[in-house]
Amino acid sequence: KQEVTQIPAALSVPEGENLVLNCSFTDSAIYNLQWFRQDPGKGLTSLLLIQSSQREQTSGRLNASLDKSSGRSTLYIAASQPGDSATYLCAVVNRDDKIIFGKGTRLHILP
Amino acid sequence: NAGVTQTPKFQVLKTGQSMTLQCAQDMNHEYMSWYRQDPGMGLRLIHYSVGAGITDQGEVPNGYNVSRSTTEDFPLRLLSAAPSQTSVYFCASSSGRGGHNEQFFGPGTRLTVL
Repeated sequence: KQEVTQIPAALSVPEGENLVLNCSFTDSAIYNLQWFRQDPGKGLTSLLLIQSSQREQTSGRLNASLDKSSGRSTLYIAASQPGDSATYLCAVVNRDDKIIFGKGTRLHILP
Repeated sequence: NAGVTQTPKFQVLKTGQSMTLQCAQDMNHEYMSWYRQDPGMGLRLIHYSVGAGITDQGEVPNGYNVSRSTTEDFPLRLLSAAPSQTSVYFCASSSGRGGHNEQFFGPGTRLTVL
């Protein structure tokens, strides 16, 4: 059974710092991995999608990497801003078309 | 495009009542799915559909029914609501048959069962 883990569960960093969020999964037979952002009381916003054949994707200050063989992905945020404060979730799409989420990392950027 | 829409936004039910959560998308996506989000549990897949006429169970399907008669709509039915079904429910859609592309989420329905 696929399990997705995100560490740490919560993180506080001063504004301007670079940071890394981690996501690990137990079954490497995935189609893709997607990173989302969720603001309190809101829905999910897609940040980056990495297909299983890809190693990384970039969008602005965000860079996501995927190492399928080791079951790991990282989301790198450069030059953090208070507006980056949110919960970040990763999700994998299994070969059986089921999507499994991690429990998320709550990020707080200190002004 | 409206994207993924969900109605209602809020709902309060009494134990044993039934209701249907509506989900629609106007992007002609084949893959649609329902999740519930509970504190400390993350999002858990309830049911999903890879195309019209096809549905399958996710991680937590008990107490919920779905159907997919059209590409656009994917309603979630609670036949006899229980307090354990108090949660925030999200619907999502994706192009391609198996959800292999970017997932788009609706704004959610906050359900309370008394």
